[in-house]
Amino acid sequence: QKEVEQNSGPLSVPEGAIASLNCTYSDRVSQSFFWYRQYSGKSPELIMSIYSNGDKEDGRFTAQLNKASQYVSLLIRDSQPSDSATYLCAVIYGNNRLAFGKGNQVVVIP
Amino acid sequence: KAGVTQTPRYLIKTRGQQVTLSCSPISGHRSVSWYQQTPGQGLQFLFEYFSETQRNKGNFPGRFSGRQFSNSRSEMNVSTLELGDSALYLCASSLGLGDGNQPQHFGDGTRLSIL
Repeated sequence: QKEVEQNSGPLSVPEGAIASLNCTYSDRVSQSFFWYRQYSGKSPELIMSIYSNGDKEDGRFTAQLNKASQYVSLLIRDSQPSDSATYLCAVIYGNNRLAFGKGNQVVVIP
Repeated sequence: KAGVTQTPRYLIKTRGQQVTLSCSPISGHRSVSWYQQTPGQGLQFLFEYFSETQRNKGNFPGRFSGRQFSNSRSEMNVSTLELGDSALYLCASSLGLGDGNQPQHFGDGTRLSIL
């Protein structure tokens, strides 16, 4: 089982719609979860961190964590063309080792 | 506050050569982690240094090594380069304190091409 899995293929959403991204992880004891955004040719940029079960909102982004199901998600509300990027789910394993999913490409269509 | 700085941004090498990449973390950050990113494998963890000691290591061959200096700056070295080492090498820094909850922030990366 992969440490972090993001199984969805590229996601195309119309401008103004909600983009929903999902991620599962394998280690039950993980406590720290992050979403990074990576534009083509650029490095990953941290957009959300979440540590407790439930929802965390930051602007148009909402992260959701369910530790019992080992599941973390990211919602992007009112999607904008500037949100077109690859979104990487990351989980801390052990002592400060980040494991990443393969990423989900989001394309926002004007 | 300055971000994570990686040098050089681009490198072209040939097989068999060696290369050294440099990373300066965000001021006050004591943990530096290195990652390799390729289209096929995604982001893979190489190693992490904290207070000049390697604290974590990924599943890469011994040709990949690193070190950290007393000012938290870190270098990564790859010896006997292979074509498959062509990748974007990313450095990330964090406070690195005990519980590992602190997020990591990435530099712009070094794009290494092996001919």
